[in-house]
Amino acid sequence: KNEVEQSPQNLTAQEGEFITINCSYSVGISALHWLQQHPGGGIVSLFMLSSGKKKHGRLIATINIQEKHSSLHITASHPRDSAVYICAVSSLPRVEHNAGNMLTFGGGTRLMVKP
Amino acid sequence: DVKVTQSSRYLVKRTGEKVFLECVQDMDHENMFWYRQDPGLGLRLIYFSYDVKMKEKGDIPEGYSVSREKKERFSLILESASTNQTSMYLCASSFGTGTGFYEQYFGPGTRLTVT
Repeated sequence: KNEVEQSPQNLTAQEGEFITINCSYSVGISALHWLQQHPGGGIVSLFMLSSGKKKHGRLIATINIQEKHSSLHITASHPRDSAVYICAVSSLPRVEHNAGNMLTFGGGTRLMVKP
Repeated sequence: DVKVTQSSRYLVKRTGEKVFLECVQDMDHENMFWYRQDPGLGLRLIYFSYDVKMKEKGDIPEGYSVSREKKERFSLILESASTNQTSMYLCASSFGTGTGFYEQYFGPGTRLTVT
């Protein structure tokens, strides 16, 4: 079983729909990251959170530490939101040096928003 | 803005060639990472470096080596390229001292084809 699981793997939505992408993890973490990858390869960090909820524009990320679960929501989706969304977790730091920044990635959710 | 640059966007090499992939960041980050990304397997860590001349193996270091002679530059070396190293290679960097956790900044990626 992967340490970080995302669902769904693929998602098609109509413009304007509310979208939810889920991420579950099984390891102890320092933080959870949501990343966006557009066709062509570049990856952008959307959120980094260790508790509660963060909002940026139409994007909202939540995390429940006790349940080891996070969700990424997109309100009023638009075709430009079409991308792969990747959940990643920062491991707990190792003693010998700060490896807390090592990320373990989920498999990604491919989102297509149709006009 | 943080900028992470990679030496090539596309690269075609022959089996057995020695291949150098270069990554440069301009934010004085301590940590630098090399990942490969393959369909169905997601992002996997090859190596990371937490300081000049310091390196740690990631999940899939076999067939690769790295070099970090200067803080801003992290090189990935394929000593003898093989067809199973055809992939998208992504470099990233982050701050990373103490026990904090930090956002990773990604380069645009190098799509390597080994024939």
